[in-house]
Amino acid sequence: DGGITQSPKYLFRKEGQNVTLSCEQNLNHDAMYWYRQDPGQGLRLIYYSQIVNDFQKGDIAEGYSVSREKKESFPLTVTSAQKNPTAFYLCASSITGANLYGYTFGSGTRLTVV
Amino acid sequence: EDKVVQSPLSLVVHEGDTVTLNCSYEVTNFRSLLWYKQEKKAPTFLFMLTSSGIEKKSGRLSSILDKKELFSILNITATQTGDSAVYLCALKWPGGGADGLTFGKGTHLIIQP
Repeated sequence: DGGITQSPKYLFRKEGQNVTLSCEQNLNHDAMYWYRQDPGQGLRLIYYSQIVNDFQKGDIAEGYSVSREKKESFPLTVTSAQKNPTAFYLCASSITGANLYGYTFGSGTRLTVV
Repeated sequence: EDKVVQSPLSLVVHEGDTVTLNCSYEVTNFRSLLWYKQEKKAPTFLFMLTSSGIEKKSGRLSSILDKKELFSILNITATQTGDSAVYLCALKWPGGGADGLTFGKGTHLIIQP
């Protein structure tokens, strides 16, 4: 079955640590996105990538980094520079071009700083 | 400045009631407006709207877009406890990150038995 897989589902981070969230898709989608969701804040765009080896900052990129070495994979690293990383992180993918449709979402990773 | 504004942000009703959720927006050069339902994890797709005045319907849920007044509504009739969720409105437009989606903050709907 085609889909998008995020792992782990739950992640605990100590202050000062970097952690990496995994996102893999087998939908052959060109575009991939990372969103952060906080209570009452909706989904805010962190980074996105339209093609392999290229990615762009979204609205809240500070303290995060990404890579896109393979079409299927778009991992997100939450660095120690991110001062308030506790949140729910959603990865999504879509086809590119002037299409109408939205995303396929992963199931999310809930990150907690301890 | 929010491009997509949803109201109310939260709503508590009793089972059987009808609810109307609102989504207003500022962007005019958008390709589509989408509604999602989010229960605990990944948002699930409900509707995609591109044309003004054409109602989309799925069971007890329906949605319509007004491009002149720049808003959309999502109606749920005869609500059930399983309708409790966060409902997200999103615009697909060129400024939304590589023609991606810009989301509103969502409406948290709680259906009481």
